[in-house]
Amino acid sequence: DAGVIQSPRHEVTEMGQEVTLRCKPISGHDYLFWYRQTMMRGLELLIYFNNNVPIDDSGMPEDRFSAKMPNASFSNLKIQPSEPRDSAVYFCASSLAGSGYTFGSGTRLTVV
Amino acid sequence: QKEVEQNSGPLSVPEGAIASLNCTYSDRGSQSFFWYRQYSGKSPELIMFIYSNGDKEDGRFTAQLNKASQYVSLLIRDSQPSDSATYLCAFLARGTSYGKLTFGQGTILTVHP
Repeated sequence: DAGVIQSPRHEVTEMGQEVTLRCKPISGHDYLFWYRQTMMRGLELLIYFNNNVPIDDSGMPEDRFSAKMPNASFSNLKIQPSEPRDSAVYFCASSLAGSGYTFGSGTRLTVV
Repeated sequence: QKEVEQNSGPLSVPEGAIASLNCTYSDRGSQSFFWYRQYSGKSPELIMFIYSNGDKEDGRFTAQLNKASQYVSLLIRDSQPSDSATYLCAFLARGTSYGKLTFGQGTILTVHP
């Protein structure tokens, strides 16, 4: 298995632009999670899905953030408009219920 | 009280020593516990999980769980410089949040030659 695949690995964008982060979970996993990591705040859960349905989006910072999971093999996280304070590493992870997560390699986002 | 608290770091140990990483949790409904290792610039990777009270050994790693004391620890024997990383503990709770791990803030471990 190729693991959890995220793209792009790095993204540099200008303030105000739309950013789209992509994730392909491990086949057969029924949970998908989006996390953000910064030095100051550590790992923050943004949103998670179970069987493609959003379960908890209380961690999404504000309306500028949205996430979808149209099918079992793909999810995206959008930020529109982006701001410098959104700069962080964004991780996607997937799991089978009751088991630990497998994380993707992450997307390092820099908003200038 | 935070849901998960890890011993404050950074923790520095000499090569060959035992590194002890500790974690306490507040949710008595927690049923599964995980230790992740994260190298600088990399994603967290699962290294150990434990469900039952007692010890679980895997190579140089031993996870210890005491549900009565709401305490989980990770021991690394014969520490190597390659063990230098941030270690995150996490637990899986029952109930409506089933499936979601709650992470601690992490402990930075440095093993010096």
